[in-house]
Amino acid sequence: KQEVTQIPAALSVPEGENLVLNCSFTDSAIYNLQWFRQDPGKGLTSLLLIQSSQREQTSGRLNASLDKSSGRSTLYIAASQPGDSATYLCACENFNKFYFGSGTKLNVKP
Amino acid sequence: EAGVAQSPRYKIIEKRQSVAFWCNPISGHATLYWYQQILGQGPKLLIQFQNNGVVDDSQLPKDRFSAERLKGVDSTLKIQPAKLEDSAVYLCASSLVASTEQYFGPGTRLTVT
Repeated sequence: KQEVTQIPAALSVPEGENLVLNCSFTDSAIYNLQWFRQDPGKGLTSLLLIQSSQREQTSGRLNASLDKSSGRSTLYIAASQPGDSATYLCACENFNKFYFGSGTKLNVKP
Repeated sequence: EAGVAQSPRYKIIEKRQSVAFWCNPISGHATLYWYQQILGQGPKLLIQFQNNGVVDDSQLPKDRFSAERLKGVDSTLKIQPAKLEDSAVYLCASSLVASTEQYFGPGTRLTVT
């Protein structure tokens, strides 16, 4: 069974800092990996989806990379803003089954 | 484009009572998912539909949970009878087809007392 881990569980940074969120998974036979953002009391918002054949995806200030061989994905946020404060979750798809990490709670201080 | 709609947004029930949640996916999305998210954890997939057929329900506690997606559009998730450990947020998501980007609804927060 796939195990998805996100470290750290919480992160607090000053505004303007570049930061990296980590996601690791135990089974490299993933079909895709998706990064989400979750605001308190809200559903999940898709940020980036990386297919297994891809190495990275970019959207604005966000860049996600995927290294299947090492079982890792990173989400890079450039020039962080207070509006980026949220919980970030990664999810792996293996054979139509989806596995989420517990998330990293990010706080960007003004 | 309208997003995924869910109702109710909040529900409080006593243990052993029944409850039902409703989800309306994005128009044209063939795949629909129900997730359970316990506080402080990531979502756990309960059931996945492709049109009105079940793709995966391996983590659905079938002795008390049931779900249906009649006509391949709206879906309902039912819990009967509820237990204290069912307290969670129930999220519905949809995607155009399987293995593509998922779009989530706002969720239903269930509290079982």
